This record gives sequence, structure tokens and C-alpha cells, in this order.
Amino acid sequence: NAGVMQNPRHLVRRRGQEARLRCSPMKGHSHVYWYRQLPEEGLKFMVYLQKENIIDESGMPKERFSAEFPKEGPSILRIQQVVRGDSAAYFCASSPPSGSYNEQFFGPGTRLTVL
Amino acid sequence: GENVEQHPSTLSVQEGDSAVIKCTYSDSASNYFPWYKQELGKRPQLIIDIRSNVGEKKDQRIAVTLNKTAKHFSLHITETQPEDSAVYFCAAGGSNYKLTFGKGTLLTVNP
Repeated sequence: NAGVMQNPRHLVRRRGQEARLRCSPMKGHSHVYWYRQLPEEGLKFMVYLQKENIIDESGMPKERFSAEFPKEGPSILRIQQVVRGDSAAYFCASSPPSGSYNEQFFGPGTRLTVL
Repeated sequence: GENVEQHPSTLSVQEGDSAVIKCTYSDSASNYFPWYKQELGKRPQLIIDIRSNVGEKKDQRIAVTLNKTAKHFSLHITETQPEDSAVYFCAAGGSNYKLTFGKGTLLTVNP
């Protein structure tokens, strides 16, 4: 059973470009969470999605950031017009549809570098 | 919202000694407290968790305790080994499924 998959693992963008980060949850998981980790910091919650629904986006900046989890395909975190401050590791996590409270399993992360 | 404080930020122990990491949380509605281990450049890995209806949980050399009244929980690692060296994060979660993380503890186990 494959774990949470993320791609790309490393992404380099110049200021003003767009970054698209993809996350495929574990098989059977329908809840997806995105977190951002700055160097030597903890993980900060950004957004929680279920299929075709954004449940909680309270941690996501109002501008330039958007997320989706379509009926088919991976969840996408999109950052428009990237700035140097967006450089960070972005982790996706998934959890089962019910039962196991908040037990979240993390992907390997996408390390975004903005030049 | 929830706020999680974690101490210490760095911890160095000799192989075979015990290590203790402590966290406090602010939201009394939080009812799920996982601990993650993150090695350099790797994903956070869930190592143990505890729910609010339990005061203590143990898994081999790792144990977690929870004091709901005082709103604090701790990770205990006994008989530490060099491969335990990593950054450890505590987190708190509630019915909204969102996890709030502490800032992490860099544990170094010296051979």
C-alpha cells in the first residue's frame, strides 16, 4: 500500500512565477491537509480538503494561494506570483474518512525555492 | 485558536539515557495528541499518539503521558540509541481535524 505521494520533490521558481504542488493521498484516504514548514520551524496548517470540498482554509494566505482536491486526481496547492518568502517545505498529509480521529500520515514534501 | 508550546528546543543525551520532551496546549477542546519524528530532509513520521480519554500510553521504548487538567503532555524515550536522533514534534488536534504543532525539539543521542 503506497504511502502519501507528493511531486515534485524539489521545485525552483523565479519571483512572479506560479508553483503547482501535487499530493496523492494514501489509498482509501479521502481527507487531505496541507502544511508549510519554514527552516527550523514546526509545521503550520494551511488547508484541509475532502473530495471537491474545502473544509477549512483558515491557515492559507488569502491572496496568491489556492487549493483543490478534485473528484479525480491529486490534490493541488497552487501559489501564484511566488515571492522569496514562499520558499519552504510544503507537506501534504492524509487521513481515513472516518474513525481514526486526526491520525494523519505525511508525504515526503515538496521543497520550494524561489529565486 | 490552539497554541502549542514545546520544550526544550534542543536536547542532548548520552546513549542509554532517557529523554523527555514536554508540550503544553491552550484549547481545552483538543482531544488528540500525536508525536512525530522527523529526520533531516525527510517526512514527519507518526511515532505515538494519545487521546484525551487515556492518561498514558506506551510502545516499547516510547511512552506518552497526558494531563488534561494541566493541559500538558510529554514524550518519554528510554534507553536512547543514536538512531533516535531527530527532530520531534508534538501536536494537538480537536474535532476540526486540524493539527497545531509545536516548534520541535532537536534530540541528539551521543554514542
